[in-house]
Amino acid sequence: SQKIEQNSEALNIQEGKTATLTCNYTNYSPAYLQWYRQDPGRGPVFLLLIRENEKEKRKERLKVTFDTTLKQSLFHITASQPADSATYLCALDDGGGSQGNLIFGKGTKLSVKP
Amino acid sequence: DAGVIQSPRHEVTEMGQEVTLRCKPISGHNSLFWYRQTMMRGLELLIYFNNNVPIDDSGMPEDRFSAKMPNASFSTLKIQPSEPRDSAVYFCASSLSRVSGELFFGEGSRLTVL
Repeated sequence: SQKIEQNSEALNIQEGKTATLTCNYTNYSPAYLQWYRQDPGRGPVFLLLIRENEKEKRKERLKVTFDTTLKQSLFHITASQPADSATYLCALDDGGGSQGNLIFGKGTKLSVKP
Repeated sequence: DAGVIQSPRHEVTEMGQEVTLRCKPISGHNSLFWYRQTMMRGLELLIYFNNNVPIDDSGMPEDRFSAKMPNASFSTLKIQPSEPRDSAVYFCASSLSRVSGELFFGEGSRLTVL
């Protein structure tokens, strides 16, 4: 079955810098990949979805890339702010095409210091 | 819309007791998902429904777990009998579409089994 690895449990950066988070998967390339933000004690909140035929997607200060050759997605937050501190989860389908089972990585906890 | 509503937010119970978690999805959403989140395993998909029909319950850990969706606006996850290892945060999420739709999560039900 598909496995997801978010290779940093925690990432600490200075305010104003660009945060880059990594999501790797092991098996077949999914049709799409999603990124979520989770604050302590809250449910995950959807941020961005990128499809396999898209190399890059942007939303305000957020940018996601999807490299099916490397089996990797990168999530960037430019001009980071302390309010960006949260855990970021990547998710993709584990259905081998059925696109029903959305599985999540364990997340990367981002801390942005002022 | 109020979003996905889960109850109770917190539940403390003793081993062997029955636990029922409840979820009201967003009106008009066709798919409903139950996830469990722990530090060790992250977010795990337990079961999902499409148009009130269970599609895949392969993530349900044991026969002690059961889920129902009697109508489009209500779902329950029941654990009977509960065990300490069931302690986790249980999330319900809904989606407009099972295929590549973003998930809208509730705030979760934190279960502690003593």
